[in-house]
Amino acid sequence: DSGVTQTPKHLITATGQRVTLRCSPRSGDLSVYWYQQSLDQGLQFLIQYYNGEERAKGNILERFSAQQFPDLHSELNLSSLELGDSALYFCASSVSGRGANVLTFGAGSRLTVL
Amino acid sequence: SQQGEEDPQALSIQEGENATMNCSYKTSINNLQWYRQNSGRGLVHLILIRSNEREKHSGRLRVTLDTSKKSSSLLITASRAADTASYFCATDAWGGSNYKLTFGKGTLLTVNP
Repeated sequence: DSGVTQTPKHLITATGQRVTLRCSPRSGDLSVYWYQQSLDQGLQFLIQYYNGEERAKGNILERFSAQQFPDLHSELNLSSLELGDSALYFCASSVSGRGANVLTFGAGSRLTVL
Repeated sequence: SQQGEEDPQALSIQEGENATMNCSYKTSINNLQWYRQNSGRGLVHLILIRSNEREKHSGRLRVTLDTSKKSSSLLITASRAADTASYFCATDAWGGSNYKLTFGKGTLLTVNP
């Protein structure tokens, strides 16, 4: 157990639907990162939050949004889902948002869009 | 686009042999990290090497960094079947106030018993 908790572990839904993925960072970590992993695109950085504020943005689609709450947990919202959104979504956390950050990853949420 | 690219994409060796994986990147970095991922699971951090370091060891792992060639290598000595996994290099970069850790597509290592 890495200390980073992601729910749900598996999710199957239909095109056009909306889902929310949840992440609780490791105790003491202030920064949360979201990554998408698919076979053809590899591990893509989506977005980072630090202590409730957005810190960096990557290849995140406009249909996707995220936030980090005061208790530091984070949610990734995926809407108007398409078949191509099927992937493993990872949350990771680190102590700080700057410097040499070592990321601790959760086990991932596997999203299947039918 | 991916900052780091691992080479080879796949590597199959026998138990006890050494495994070498390479990573090339495009822009200047602060640090380079290697992570390991067992099939379908989360990534696990292995080692971090800073841009002013040339070599680092951790147990059976040896990482080198050549900033002039923008490349790094990960050597796993005396491999075990349990080392079977995908290995990713990750580079960090600053763009203004933005910090991003970017992963390559990984090398799939298979260690045959």
